[in-house]
Amino acid sequence: EVQLVQSGPEVKKPGESLKISCKGSGFTFTSYWIAWVRQMPGKGLEWMGIIYPGDSDTRYTPSFQGQITISADRSITTAYLQWGSLKASDTAMYYCARSDDFGSTLDYWGQGTLLTVSS
Amino acid sequence: QSVLTQPPSASGTPGQRVTISCSGSSPNIGNNYVCWYQQLPGTAPKLLIYRNTQRPSGVPDRFSGSKSGTSASLAISGLRSEDEADYYCAAWDNSLSGWVFGGGTKLTVL
Repeated sequence: EVQLVQSGPEVKKPGESLKISCKGSGFTFTSYWIAWVRQMPGKGLEWMGIIYPGDSDTRYTPSFQGQITISADRSITTAYLQWGSLKASDTAMYYCARSDDFGSTLDYWGQGTLLTVSS
Repeated sequence: QSVLTQPPSASGTPGQRVTISCSGSSPNIGNNYVCWYQQLPGTAPKLLIYRNTQRPSGVPDRFSGSKSGTSASLAISGLRSEDEADYYCAAWDNSLSGWVFGGGTKLTVL
Protein backbone atom coordinates (compact mmCIF):
# COMPACT_ATOMS: atom_id res chain seq x y z
CA GLU A 1 0.00 0.00 0.00
CA VAL A 2 1.34 3.38 -1.04
CA GLN A 3 1.70 5.71 1.93
CA LEU A 4 3.14 9.15 2.53
CA VAL A 5 3.28 9.82 6.27
CA GLN A 6 4.10 13.35 7.38
CA SER A 7 5.49 14.62 10.64
CA GLY A 8 3.20 16.08 13.28
CA PRO A 9 1.86 19.61 13.85
CA GLU A 10 4.29 22.36 14.72
CA VAL A 11 3.96 25.62 16.65
CA LYS A 12 6.85 28.02 16.10
CA LYS A 13 7.78 31.65 16.69
CA PRO A 14 8.68 34.10 13.92
CA GLY A 15 12.37 33.86 13.05
CA GLU A 16 12.72 30.23 14.11
CA SER A 17 13.80 27.47 11.72
CA LEU A 18 11.94 24.27 10.93
CA LYS A 19 12.22 21.07 8.92
CA ILE A 20 9.14 18.88 8.34
CA SER A 21 9.20 15.42 6.86
CA CYS A 22 7.32 13.08 4.54
CA LYS A 23 8.13 9.36 4.69
CA GLY A 24 7.22 7.24 1.70
CA SER A 25 6.48 3.53 1.75
CA GLY A 26 4.87 0.93 -0.49
CA PHE A 27 6.61 2.19 -3.63
CA THR A 28 10.12 2.69 -5.00
CA PHE A 29 10.90 6.06 -3.43
CA THR A 30 13.79 6.84 -5.77
CA SER A 31 11.63 6.40 -8.88
CA TYR A 32 9.04 9.05 -8.02
CA TRP A 33 9.00 12.81 -7.65
CA ILE A 34 7.83 14.22 -4.31
CA ALA A 35 6.09 17.60 -4.38
CA TRP A 36 5.15 19.99 -1.58
CA VAL A 37 1.86 21.88 -1.63
CA ARG A 38 0.73 24.69 0.69
CA GLN A 39 -2.81 25.36 1.83
CA MET A 40 -3.24 28.52 3.86
CA PRO A 41 -6.19 28.69 6.28
CA GLY A 42 -9.45 28.65 4.35
CA LYS A 43 -7.62 28.93 1.03
CA GLY A 44 -6.75 26.83 -2.00
CA LEU A 45 -3.75 24.72 -2.97
CA GLU A 46 -0.38 26.14 -4.04
CA TRP A 47 2.44 24.07 -5.55
CA MET A 48 5.74 24.97 -3.88
CA GLY A 49 8.34 22.73 -5.45
CA ILE A 50 9.40 19.18 -6.17
CA ILE A 51 12.32 16.80 -5.74
CA TYR A 52 13.42 13.59 -7.41
CA PRO A 53 15.05 11.56 -4.63
CA GLY A 54 16.78 9.38 -7.21
CA ASP A 55 19.26 12.13 -8.04
CA SER A 56 18.10 15.03 -5.80
CA ASP A 57 17.01 17.12 -8.81
CA THR A 58 14.96 19.90 -7.17
CA ARG A 59 12.75 22.59 -8.66
CA TYR A 60 10.91 25.49 -6.99
CA THR A 61 8.03 27.61 -8.15
CA PRO A 62 9.22 31.26 -8.40
CA SER A 63 7.14 32.54 -5.48
CA PHE A 64 8.79 30.08 -3.08
CA GLN A 65 12.33 30.14 -4.50
CA GLY A 66 14.74 31.29 -1.80
CA GLN A 67 12.11 30.98 0.93
CA ILE A 68 12.22 27.21 1.40
CA THR A 69 14.56 24.26 0.89
CA ILE A 70 13.39 20.86 -0.32
CA SER A 71 15.60 17.85 0.27
CA ALA A 72 15.41 14.07 0.55
CA ASP A 73 17.23 11.19 2.24
CA ARG A 74 17.02 8.14 -0.01
CA SER A 75 18.28 5.83 2.72
CA ILE A 76 15.21 6.41 4.86
CA THR A 77 12.78 7.19 2.00
CA THR A 78 11.98 10.60 3.43
CA ALA A 79 11.55 14.00 1.85
CA TYR A 80 11.84 17.27 3.74
CA LEU A 81 10.60 20.85 3.57
CA GLN A 82 12.69 23.38 5.45
CA TRP A 83 12.52 27.03 6.45
CA GLY A 84 15.44 29.07 7.71
CA SER A 85 13.43 31.91 9.26
CA LEU A 86 9.69 31.50 9.69
CA LYS A 87 7.14 34.25 9.30
CA ALA A 88 3.56 34.45 10.54
CA SER A 89 2.47 34.21 6.90
CA ASP A 90 3.95 30.69 6.76
CA THR A 91 1.05 29.49 8.92
CA ALA A 92 -0.62 26.83 6.78
CA MET A 93 -1.17 23.15 6.17
CA TYR A 94 1.60 21.59 4.12
CA TYR A 95 1.09 18.45 2.06
CA CYS A 96 3.57 16.22 0.28
CA ALA A 97 2.43 14.29 -2.77
CA ARG A 98 4.10 11.95 -5.26
CA SER A 99 4.10 11.76 -9.05
CA ASP A 100 5.65 9.19 -11.35
CA ASP A 101 7.17 11.77 -13.67
CA PHE A 102 8.03 15.45 -13.71
CA GLY A 103 4.75 17.20 -14.51
CA SER A 104 2.71 14.05 -14.07
CA THR A 105 -0.34 13.67 -11.83
CA LEU A 106 0.10 14.03 -8.06
CA ASP A 107 -1.61 10.75 -7.25
CA TYR A 108 -1.00 10.02 -3.56
CA TRP A 109 -0.89 12.67 -0.86
CA GLY A 110 0.34 12.74 2.71
CA GLN A 111 -2.05 13.57 5.54
CA GLY A 112 -0.62 17.08 5.93
CA THR A 113 1.43 18.92 8.53
CA LEU A 114 -0.15 21.93 10.21
CA LEU A 115 2.33 24.73 10.89
CA THR A 116 1.39 27.63 13.14
CA VAL A 117 3.79 30.55 13.40
CA SER A 118 2.88 33.00 16.13
CA SER A 119 4.66 35.18 18.64
CA GLN B 1 -5.52 34.84 -7.26
CA SER B 2 -5.44 31.32 -8.67
CA VAL B 3 -4.17 30.61 -12.19
CA LEU B 4 -7.16 28.37 -12.92
CA THR B 5 -10.66 29.76 -12.39
CA GLN B 6 -13.42 27.83 -10.67
CA PRO B 7 -16.77 28.97 -9.28
CA PRO B 8 -16.45 29.37 -5.50
CA SER B 9 -19.57 27.36 -4.79
CA ALA B 10 -22.01 24.86 -6.28
CA SER B 11 -24.98 23.03 -4.87
CA GLY B 12 -27.50 20.32 -5.66
CA THR B 13 -30.03 18.02 -4.11
CA PRO B 14 -29.51 14.28 -3.59
CA GLY B 15 -29.75 12.38 -6.87
CA GLN B 16 -29.15 15.47 -8.97
CA ARG B 17 -26.30 16.02 -11.45
CA VAL B 18 -23.95 18.94 -10.89
CA THR B 19 -21.04 20.23 -12.92
CA ILE B 20 -18.05 22.29 -11.84
CA SER B 21 -16.11 24.29 -14.40
CA CYS B 22 -12.43 25.11 -14.55
CA SER B 23 -11.02 27.73 -16.91
CA GLY B 24 -7.36 28.13 -17.77
CA SER B 25 -5.14 29.13 -20.67
CA SER B 26 -2.82 27.76 -23.30
CA PRO B 27 0.25 27.05 -21.08
CA ASN B 28 -1.80 24.93 -18.66
CA ILE B 29 -5.14 23.38 -19.61
CA GLY B 30 -4.68 24.16 -23.28
CA ASN B 31 -1.61 21.95 -23.58
CA ASN B 32 -1.68 19.58 -20.64
CA TYR B 33 -3.89 17.10 -18.86
CA VAL B 34 -6.33 18.23 -16.20
CA CYS B 35 -6.93 16.44 -12.93
CA TRP B 36 -9.48 16.93 -10.20
CA TYR B 37 -9.16 16.51 -6.44
CA GLN B 38 -11.78 16.07 -3.75
CA GLN B 39 -10.99 17.47 -0.32
CA LEU B 40 -13.36 16.38 2.41
CA PRO B 41 -13.41 18.62 5.51
CA GLY B 42 -10.23 18.24 7.55
CA THR B 43 -8.59 15.78 5.17
CA ALA B 44 -5.94 15.77 2.45
CA PRO B 45 -6.87 16.13 -1.21
CA LYS B 46 -7.77 12.87 -2.94
CA LEU B 47 -7.29 12.27 -6.66
CA LEU B 48 -10.66 11.98 -8.37
CA ILE B 49 -9.90 12.38 -12.09
CA TYR B 50 -6.58 12.34 -13.96
CA ARG B 51 -5.61 12.79 -17.62
CA ASN B 52 -8.84 14.76 -18.17
CA THR B 53 -11.23 11.80 -17.99
CA GLN B 54 -9.60 8.87 -16.15
CA ARG B 55 -10.77 7.64 -12.75
CA PRO B 56 -8.35 6.01 -10.31
CA SER B 57 -9.35 2.63 -8.99
CA GLY B 58 -12.04 2.98 -6.34
CA VAL B 59 -13.54 6.25 -7.58
CA PRO B 60 -17.21 5.74 -8.43
CA ASP B 61 -18.29 6.23 -12.04
CA ARG B 62 -20.68 8.93 -10.80
CA PHE B 63 -17.66 11.19 -11.18
CA SER B 64 -16.59 12.12 -14.71
CA GLY B 65 -14.26 14.67 -16.25
CA SER B 66 -14.06 16.39 -19.61
CA LYS B 67 -11.87 18.95 -21.32
CA SER B 68 -12.27 21.22 -24.30
CA GLY B 69 -9.67 23.76 -25.35
CA THR B 70 -8.63 25.74 -22.29
CA SER B 71 -11.53 24.65 -20.09
CA ALA B 72 -12.45 21.52 -18.18
CA SER B 73 -15.42 20.27 -16.21
CA LEU B 74 -16.14 17.81 -13.44
CA ALA B 75 -19.57 16.22 -13.40
CA ILE B 76 -21.07 14.42 -10.44
CA SER B 77 -24.23 12.45 -11.08
CA GLY B 78 -26.52 10.83 -8.52
CA LEU B 79 -25.40 13.38 -5.93
CA ARG B 80 -24.98 12.02 -2.40
CA SER B 81 -24.53 13.74 0.94
CA GLU B 82 -21.00 12.36 1.24
CA ASP B 83 -20.04 14.28 -1.91
CA GLU B 84 -20.14 17.50 0.10
CA ALA B 85 -16.54 18.70 -0.14
CA ASP B 86 -14.18 21.14 -1.81
CA TYR B 87 -13.19 20.27 -5.38
CA TYR B 88 -10.02 21.51 -7.06
CA CYS B 89 -8.92 21.35 -10.66
CA ALA B 90 -5.21 21.27 -11.48
CA ALA B 91 -2.94 21.24 -14.51
CA TRP B 92 0.76 21.45 -15.27
CA ASP B 93 1.76 24.90 -16.50
CA ASN B 94 4.51 24.96 -19.12
CA SER B 95 5.33 28.64 -18.50
CA LEU B 96 5.72 28.24 -14.73
CA SER B 97 7.13 24.69 -14.93
CA GLY B 98 4.87 23.76 -12.06
CA TRP B 99 1.39 22.66 -11.08
CA VAL B 100 -1.34 25.29 -10.97
CA PHE B 101 -4.64 24.86 -9.19
CA GLY B 102 -8.07 26.35 -9.27
CA GLY B 103 -9.28 28.25 -6.24
CA GLY B 104 -11.61 25.41 -5.30
CA THR B 105 -15.37 24.93 -5.45
CA LYS B 106 -17.31 24.20 -2.28
CA LEU B 107 -20.07 21.72 -3.12
CA THR B 108 -23.10 21.74 -0.86
CA VAL B 109 -25.65 18.94 -0.96
CA LEU B 110 -28.95 20.51 0.03
